Amino acid sequence: SQTIHQWPATLVQPVGSPLSLECTVEGTSNPNLYWYRQAAGRGLQLLFYSVGIGQISSEVPQNLSASRPQDRQFILSSKKLLLSDSGFYLCAWTQEGEQYFGPGTRLTVT
Amino acid sequence: GESVGLHLPTLSVQEGDNSIINCAYSNSASDYFIWYKQESGKGPQFIIDIRSNMDKRQGQRVTVLLNKTVKHLSLQIAATQPGDSAVYFCAENMRTGFQKLVFGTGTRLLVSP
Repeated sequence: SQTIHQWPATLVQPVGSPLSLECTVEGTSNPNLYWYRQAAGRGLQLLFYSVGIGQISSEVPQNLSASRPQDRQFILSSKKLLLSDSGFYLCAWTQEGEQYFGPGTRLTVT
Repeated sequence: GESVGLHLPTLSVQEGDNSIINCAYSNSASDYFIWYKQESGKGPQFIIDIRSNMDKRQGQRVTVLLNKTVKHLSLQIAATQPGDSAVYFCAENMRTGFQKLVFGTGTRLLVSP
């Protein structure tokens, strides 16, 4: 069966510090991968998606970037965090039209 | 632009009642819809989906209805239980060769014992 992992589960970082969130998928190959951000009490905003290694599409201009160094690895990064980057970050993948989410990383920028 | 929205931000029901969560969509090109359940601090969990060539689909205790005429989607939960308390999201997909879901803001379902 397929499994999606995210780490860390929670993170508290000061403004201006760098960020690296990792997502890995097991049990599938060449998945479509996604990064979403969810503000408190809000819906999901699509940040990035990837259809393959090295292929990244950005949905909204922002302080974040994404990379896909391996088929089943998706990384979300920032060089300098802003307060507005706080939120719940979710990685997701699709199979046969159905999209599945990871457990998420709660990021608090202080 | 096109968007998916929900009619009610919070729905409170008694245990054992049936719950109905509504969703409106505006993109007539969407042909695939999904309902997700999200418990506090967790990622969204797939509940049920429906394609635009259907108007009803049933799962275990859940039914999704799709009315393409008025662009309306609903999730019905039978015999609601306290464990059903969560935020429910609908999402639409525009099949342009790549799946890219558009999510609504969510409805919080509160089930009282």
